[in-house]
Amino acid sequence: SQTIHQWPATLVQPVGSPLSLECTVEGTSNPNLYWYRQAAGRGLQLLFYSVGIGQISSEVPQNLSASRPQDRQFILSSKKLLLSDSGFYLCAWSVGRQETQYFGPGTRLLVL
Amino acid sequence: SQQGEEDPQALSIQEGENATMNCSYKTSINNLQWYRQNSGRGLVHLILIRSNEREKHSGRLRVTLDTSKKSSSLLITASRAADTASYFCATDAIEPSGTYKYIFGTGTRLKVLA
Repeated sequence: SQTIHQWPATLVQPVGSPLSLECTVEGTSNPNLYWYRQAAGRGLQLLFYSVGIGQISSEVPQNLSASRPQDRQFILSSKKLLLSDSGFYLCAWSVGRQETQYFGPGTRLLVL
Repeated sequence: SQQGEEDPQALSIQEGENATMNCSYKTSINNLQWYRQNSGRGLVHLILIRSNEREKHSGRLRVTLDTSKKSSSLLITASRAADTASYFCATDAIEPSGTYKYIFGTGTRLKVLA
């Protein structure tokens, strides 16, 4: 069966520090991968999606970047965090873009 | 309003009652999905309904889709305290370029009182 992992679960970082959040998927090949951000009590905002290694599409221009160095690995990064980067970051995978998305447990990021 | 907007934003009911949540969207879709999120957790997929389907059931869940009104509803029957969560609809909006973009609504926060 397929599983999706995210780490860390929580992270407190100072403004201006770098960020690296990792997401890995097991049990499937060539998944579509997604990074979302969710503000407290709000819906999900799609940040990036990837249909293959090295292929990244950005939905919202911002302080973040994403990379997919391996088929089942998706990394969300920032060189310098802003206060507004605080939120709940969710990684998800799907077989195709119009199919069910399966979510990881999320990373709660607090930028102080 | 944005694509995939849920209504009401918050709902509080007694255990055993039915809960109905609605989702409205703007563009043509291929499918619509409902997800559930417990506080501080990831989303869990509940049900997918395709544009050529009008109703779908899964256990205590019943989803309807009216493409003429661009709306969907999620009914949870005989609710339990464990159903307390936020519920999101998601639509695969077809963009003018012909590509698909998945958009999540802002969610309905359901509280079931024991």
